[in-house]
Formats: sequence, C-alpha cells, structure tokens
Amino acid sequence: QKEVEQDPGPLSVPEGAIVSLNCTYSNSAFQYFMWYRQYSRKGPELLMYTYSSGNKEDGRFTAQVDKSSKYISLFIRDSQPSDSATYLCASRAGSYQLTFGKGTKLSVIP
Amino acid sequence: DVKVTQSSRYLVKRTGEKVFLECVQDMDHENMFWYRQDPGLGLRLIYFSYDVKMKEKGDIPEGYSVSREKKERFSLILESASTNQTSMYLCASSFPDYNVGAFFGQGTRLTVV
Repeated sequence: QKEVEQDPGPLSVPEGAIVSLNCTYSNSAFQYFMWYRQYSRKGPELLMYTYSSGNKEDGRFTAQVDKSSKYISLFIRDSQPSDSATYLCASRAGSYQLTFGKGTKLSVIP
Repeated sequence: DVKVTQSSRYLVKRTGEKVFLECVQDMDHENMFWYRQDPGLGLRLIYFSYDVKMKEKGDIPEGYSVSREKKERFSLILESASTNQTSMYLCASSFPDYNVGAFFGQGTRLTVV
C-alpha cells in the first residue's frame, strides 16, 4: 500500500467555486505535511506546509491535517482559472525524504 | 528568491549514451534530491544526498548514479540510457529542518530514442 493516497481526478469546477483536495496517509510517523502546485511542464512549487494536526491559512488557500483520521486537505476559496494545475500532497517523517501523492489535476473553468 | 536550476529543459539522447543531468541550488541547502515523474506513477525518488559526497538510494536507483562534489551541485548520471528512462526528471533541495518543504527545479524532459 502506497503511504500517501490521492485521487488523481481530474476535477473540474466553475470559477469562484470552493475546491477541496484530499489525501490520506498510512504512516503514523508523518508529522509534516505539504501541498505543491505543479503547472503543466513545470516543476512543483511549494504552496503550504503544516505540522501535525490543525489548520493553516494563506490567502485563498487553507491546509488542514487531521492526524486522528490520517487525512490531509487543501481548500481553495474563490477559485480562479490560474489555479488550474496538478496539486500534490506530501508528507515527511524525518529529515530527508518526502513521500508524495500522485497528484490531483484541477481545472477551473471561466 | 529560492532558486533550483536544472541545466536543460529538454534533452534527446540515444540508447546506450551516458547522460548527465545537472542541478544547482543557491540556497545553501544540505539536502538535494533527484526524482523522476511519469504519468500515473507520480514522483519517484531516485537518489538523495544530505551532504557533500554523501548519497543514499531512493526507491528506483537502478540504472542511475549521482555525484555531489560541491554543496550547491547535484548531478544525476544515466550510465547507459535506455528508452524506459524517458521521463521528466526533477531536482529538489531542502534544509534538514523538519518544518520546511523541498524546492524544485523546472524539470528536464528527457527522451531516449
């Protein structure tokens, strides 16, 4: 079983919608959680990171971690066409390796 | 601004060639990583390095080697390129601190013919 599972989508929403992107993980040692955004033919860009459980907000983006259910979420409010990208969740237990989900492809339709 | 630079955006190489992919970071990061990304398979770790001259195998090291002679530079070497190594290659770097994610380069799209 892969340690981080993510629905690949694709997910298509109208502009202005609230988007919910989700991952589940299996390794209880994961403590650090990240969301990356990847535009087509580009490298992933770090969007947000959180530690342990709780919420973190940055503008239109909110990252949420529920360690009891091993669930990671990214919410995007007032979604824009420029948010169209693949979103990758990642988790980290130690100093080195990140474990990535396979990514969810999001399209925001004007 | 954070900067991880990969030497090429696109490369086309022939089967059997030795291929070098170069990555340079300007953030004084200790950790550097090489991933490959394929549709349906996501990001897979090939090798990583946590210090100069140190390297650790990732999930799929077969057919690859790496070199880190300076802190800012991490090279991926395909000893004898094969068509199944056609992929997007991504370099990343990070501090060892737990609360910081890795920063990626723009990627190298390698095609082996």
